Amino acid sequence: AQSVSQHNHHVILSEAASLELGCNYSYGGTVNLFWYVQYPGQHLQLLLKYFSGDPLVKGIKGFEAEFIKSKFSFNLRKPSVQWSDTAEYFCAVNLGNTDKLIFGTGTRLQVFP
Amino acid sequence: DSGVTQTPKHLITATGQRVTLRCSPRSGDLSVYWYQQSLDQGLQFLIQYYNGEERAKGNILERFSAQQFPDLHSELNLSSLELGDSALYFCASSVPGGVAGELFFGEGSRLTVL
Repeated sequence: AQSVSQHNHHVILSEAASLELGCNYSYGGTVNLFWYVQYPGQHLQLLLKYFSGDPLVKGIKGFEAEFIKSKFSFNLRKPSVQWSDTAEYFCAVNLGNTDKLIFGTGTRLQVFP
Repeated sequence: DSGVTQTPKHLITATGQRVTLRCSPRSGDLSVYWYQQSLDQGLQFLIQYYNGEERAKGNILERFSAQQFPDLHSELNLSSLELGDSALYFCASSVPGGVAGELFFGEGSRLTVL
């Protein structure tokens, strides 16, 4: 069955540290890839997306992600985190341009000043 | 503000009861998706409607049902509620012809079953 794995469940960083959150998926066909973010007490919102072209995509607030097809991965990165990045981050995969969107279990990021 | 509206924001009820959650998609969006978010199960896709018709079904229990009305708002009905149904229920909509998988989420309805 198709699945999305986020190996980091809880990450704690100090401000200005670099961030990388892992995401792997299991599906051999065409995919669209997403990172969604959920700030405390808020709804999910799109951070960035990949559907074609340059595998290195840039999103809002200085985040970027790289699609590595051979590794079935779409890791999220940010060179220098801020306290306001404290949130839960969800990787999601859309399968073959269907309407099916599968979410990972999420990574809770805590950034301390 | 995503433009997706959900009511109520919070709901507390007892086991065995029935509740209805309501969602209005963004103006112009035809699809509505329902997701359940709980601590132990994460984000689970329940069901999707497109322009009034059921399009896809996920891990939705038989005690749950949904529909999308002609004005495109949607309702999720949860019946014979159990303690384990306590969760945050999100509705989302998507742009017709947009990037498949790009969803706009509402703020959720937090259901507590006592």
